Amino acid sequence: GEDVEQSLFLSVREGDSSVINCTYTDSSSTYLYWYKQEPGAGLQLLTYIFSNMDMKQDQRLTVLLNKKDKHLSLRIADTQTGDSAIYFCAESGKAAGNKLTFGGGTRVLVKP
Amino acid sequence: EPEVTQTPSHQVTQMGQEVILRCVPISNHLYFYWYRQILGQKVEFLVSFYNNEISEKSEIFDDQFSVERPDGSNFTLKIRSTKLEDSAMYFCASASGGQETQYFGPGTRLLVL
Repeated sequence: GEDVEQSLFLSVREGDSSVINCTYTDSSSTYLYWYKQEPGAGLQLLTYIFSNMDMKQDQRLTVLLNKKDKHLSLRIADTQTGDSAIYFCAESGKAAGNKLTFGGGTRVLVKP
Repeated sequence: EPEVTQTPSHQVTQMGQEVILRCVPISNHLYFYWYRQILGQKVEFLVSFYNNEISEKSEIFDDQFSVERPDGSNFTLKIRSTKLEDSAMYFCASASGGQETQYFGPGTRLLVL
């Protein structure tokens, strides 16, 4: 079945860039997503990329997709303390109404 | 901005009791989902629902689980006889189309004692 993996933890200094990495196994993935979860809160959609794209930029966020290696990354420029959260990578397949398969989440800690 | 809402935010129940978790999806959305996250584990898909029927369910979604859209706004998940291992955060999500982005609610934290 599909599998999505992420590193567990990332520590970064305020103002630096953060890069969160994700690998997935399903070659039929159509969309890949990044969600953010703050303590006690739900899953907030940050951004997504369609599988025929290599890169997507949205303000401080840059998503890079290497479809050959099945590798997805999220770069956060000028990381702020408010960016401290758990970041989840997720993929969806081709079927209509298709489920999301999530990674385990990367906890990002931004130090002042 | 429209959002998915869920009630209650927290629920504590005794093993063997029935619970109903409620969700109000975004109003023009047609696809509805339930996911759960056991503490320290991945977010797992439970079920998807479209056109008043289940379109896909995971192996977790056994006979003790059911979903319903009783009216035009609510989407519910019922667990008929709760087990200790049902303790988790349950997330509802909705989407305007089958390939469209899923928007998540804040979750219901269920604790089974």
